Amino acid sequence: GAGVSQSPRYKVTKRGQDVALRCDPISGHVSLYWYRQALGQGPEFLTYFNYEAQQDKSGLPNDRFSAERPEGSISTLTIQRTEQRDSAMYRCASSTTRSTDTQYFGPGTRLTVL
Amino acid sequence: GDSVTQMEGPVTLSEEAFLTINCTYTATGYPSLFWYVQYPGEGLQLLLKATKADDKGSNKGFEATYRKETTSFHLEKGSVQVSDSAVYFCALRTQGGSEKLVFGKGTKLTVNP
Repeated sequence: GAGVSQSPRYKVTKRGQDVALRCDPISGHVSLYWYRQALGQGPEFLTYFNYEAQQDKSGLPNDRFSAERPEGSISTLTIQRTEQRDSAMYRCASSTTRSTDTQYFGPGTRLTVL
Repeated sequence: GDSVTQMEGPVTLSEEAFLTINCTYTATGYPSLFWYVQYPGEGLQLLLKATKADDKGSNKGFEATYRKETTSFHLEKGSVQVSDSAVYFCALRTQGGSEKLVFGKGTKLTVNP
């Protein structure tokens, strides 16, 4: 079956622009996670959804970052007024439920802010 | 807070050499432990996992044992292949709350023929 998909795969934007990154989880997966990975580092948690409810947003670095999952399936991570320090790989993962061990990752979106 | 420390890379080995990548963790409670692998140009894939003390996870010839007494989860393979060249990430899944993954920085492995 289809895995987690993310779009776009690459995004280049100018400083100050808004960007929206999309994640389409595995069908039927209840839990959805967003992570950010800087070059040479491991992924770091941003936020988590259970169905459509955003249960944890403690990893969002500031109020320019927001995420939604309005129908409990596709999720969008939005970054407003992008800055160069936002450049990173943004990864989405989904799992059957919160308590299920395995999170399945998408290919990621490489964001470059010029 | 919870954290994972893994061996600094890069690691370069010849084919058929023995591999160890060290991983230690700090966590409250009893987290589940994972190794993820990222092959060149691909996303993160789960390699193996262990959910409780003394469990051994294994896959594709790789093994790791959950050692609670030393808070470690070292990755081993007896004979590496060129196709094992990748970045390896050790991770723990926090208990309670969102049960997010906390990752180490990754170790890049290059295997030469």
